[in-house]
Amino acid sequence: EIVLTQSPGTLSLSPGERGTLSCRASRSVSSSYLVWYQQKPGQAPRLLIYGASSRATGIPDRFSGSGSGTDFTLTISRLEPEDFAVYYCQQYGSSYVAFGQGTKLEIK
Amino acid sequence: QVQLQESGPGLVRPSGTLSLTCAVSGGSFSTGYWWNWVRQAPGKGLEWIGEIYHSGDPNYNPSLKSRVIISVDKSKNQVSLKVSSVTAADTAVYFCARTKWQQMVYYGLDVWGQGITVTVSS
Repeated sequence: EIVLTQSPGTLSLSPGERGTLSCRASRSVSSSYLVWYQQKPGQAPRLLIYGASSRATGIPDRFSGSGSGTDFTLTISRLEPEDFAVYYCQQYGSSYVAFGQGTKLEIK
Repeated sequence: QVQLQESGPGLVRPSGTLSLTCAVSGGSFSTGYWWNWVRQAPGKGLEWIGEIYHSGDPNYNPSLKSRVIISVDKSKNQVSLKVSSVTAADTAVYFCARTKWQQMVYYGLDVWGQGITVTVSS
């Protein structure tokens, strides 16, 4: 099975700054099946990005995804107060879903 | 708008069986969607348990496969989860979530239930 490793574990930034979150796969994966979620405390995860770079319905354009092969990135161009949360990458393949361990984006 | 609602006991005894149901309302239950169970232990990340298609074809996380059964009741638009021989390590919030496939595009888990907290304790 593929293992997804997210970095950093915690990212401390201020509103207005740019946030860059990384997701690395243990072997090459199809970008078609790479997804990003946001989760706030006490809530279910929310779909942000699918196909590595396509924003889900209603997701602001300050969120963008990129990458291919083993390295994927979620970028938040200008952090808003509501963006501070935990972010997970997820990959689908061979009838199996794998999640990364998450990156906590906290206010500096 | 499709909604998912998990239900079931909040407390399960060790060595017992955890049984949860996910009710799907407001949308199609069939073609193009898979139905997942995902759990999150206190303070931890997301762990995929498994998925099932409306035809009843499940896929499971290999680490849980020997203890998990996911089934579907199309007549009731419900998906069920059973986890046997539970221990304290199975204490978690359990989420039901929909995988959307459309024209061979994988959209990920696009709709989630609110989650249900299950504690394994005597």
